[in-house]
Amino acid sequence: DAKTTQPTSMDCAEGRAANLPCNHSTISGNEYVYWYRQIHSQGPQYIIHGLKNNETNEMASLIITEDRKSSTLILPHATLRDTAVYYCIVRVGGNEKLTFGTGTRLTIIP
Amino acid sequence: GAGVSQSPRYKVAKRGQDVALRCDPISGHVSLFWYQQALGQGPEFLTYFQNEAQLDKSGLPSDRFFAERPEGSVSTLKIQRTQQEDSAVYLCASSSGEWVQANEQFFGPGTRLTVL
Repeated sequence: DAKTTQPTSMDCAEGRAANLPCNHSTISGNEYVYWYRQIHSQGPQYIIHGLKNNETNEMASLIITEDRKSSTLILPHATLRDTAVYYCIVRVGGNEKLTFGTGTRLTIIP
Repeated sequence: GAGVSQSPRYKVAKRGQDVALRCDPISGHVSLFWYQQALGQGPEFLTYFQNEAQLDKSGLPSDRFFAERPEGSVSTLKIQRTQQEDSAVYLCASSSGEWVQANEQFFGPGTRLTVL
């Protein structure tokens, strides 16, 4: 699986949009971009995934650049409960294991 | 059940003891994964089951680690002769097993193992 690069930490004001970047310059054509998050003392939680089109669900939006070498996870109206470590993962999909990096620690500031 | 459950939530072991960690996946989920998460790090893959078959155990760090899922549902991760470096949170995840792009993995809360 391709390696991803994320900032170590970020802060965001409550109620504002949180934009979390991820670089995956070696991504292959058949690899998807997945985002999971891990709230303190809990297991990771799936957020969203995409291949090349932008995606949106009830939790977040995923913007993937045209060359697919980077992406941004957007939490449109961050709340204190969004404070967590966010992991960007690339993989083919299916039943493959998840390869986590160290992720981005997002802190929502009241 | 409502989600993936793991027991015990916390385990303290003396160096050299054997431990067994249990995972109850979501009912009907075919795929089951074990991950190890050291303090301050992301989870790292240990092993993967499809039903009762262990299809990938490439992440198990040594032969002291053993996992089983004899009836294709509950799984147990066993660590023999525990060492201090085994201290970590052990996470279990299950998924439906369908070969689809999403195939979301649902994680349990983990078992925090501390080896003294």
